[in-house]
Amino acid sequence: DTGVSQNPRHKITKRGQNVTFRCDPISEHNRLYWYRQTLGQGPEFLTYFQNEAQLEKSRLLSDRFSAERPKGSFSTLEIQRTEQGDSAMYLCASSLGTGGTNEKLFFGSGTQLSVL
Amino acid sequence: AQTVTQSQPEMSVQEAETVTLSCTYDTSESDYYLFWYKQPPSRQMILVIRQEAYKQQNATENRFSVNFQKAAKSFSLKISDSQLGDAAMYFCAYRSLFMYSGGGADGLTFGKGTHLIIQP
Repeated sequence: DTGVSQNPRHKITKRGQNVTFRCDPISEHNRLYWYRQTLGQGPEFLTYFQNEAQLEKSRLLSDRFSAERPKGSFSTLEIQRTEQGDSAMYLCASSLGTGGTNEKLFFGSGTQLSVL
Repeated sequence: AQTVTQSQPEMSVQEAETVTLSCTYDTSESDYYLFWYKQPPSRQMILVIRQEAYKQQNATENRFSVNFQKAAKSFSLKISDSQLGDAAMYFCAYRSLFMYSGGGADGLTFGKGTHLIIQP
């Protein structure tokens, strides 16, 4: 168990550019979550995968955001045409789903995005 | 939609003393889960303690315990014998019991956090 890994740890980009983040969950975890955390706030739920299927998307996830989880392993979160308001830390979490909702989420250390 | 409120932006406690962090929430659901997470400077969220709303008994994990008052919708965290390693941001979180109920119910709803300072 090497934990949830996120890359890159930091990303600085210019407004209008596209960025992509990667999350490697704990192996055998079939559930994967993306959250966004801005300064002084708690994390906000963005989206959720069970295996390769994206089952839930928050209203926070605009059309410029897209997430994938091919083959139910790692996941990518892409932001197109970045805006300064996208500056935040993007957290990934995974869990071993057992069919119920009483599950423990393991979080990564996040990717800090700064849009200039 | 559920909301979680942490009214203490910052708390300070002397090492070895006891501190209580407050959390209130608003929901129309009768069954749900409540959590306390710790986020140290490393930024990784770590689960501290979990409470099922249908259980009347308060959860405990070593030096950490909760005071769950369902009628008052209150869920406070007590840290006993505070240690320097307890210094971190602490987030209270809510999760619906039912999956696929829309609006991001599969995810956790977090409060804004309380910054805990441990004074040596």
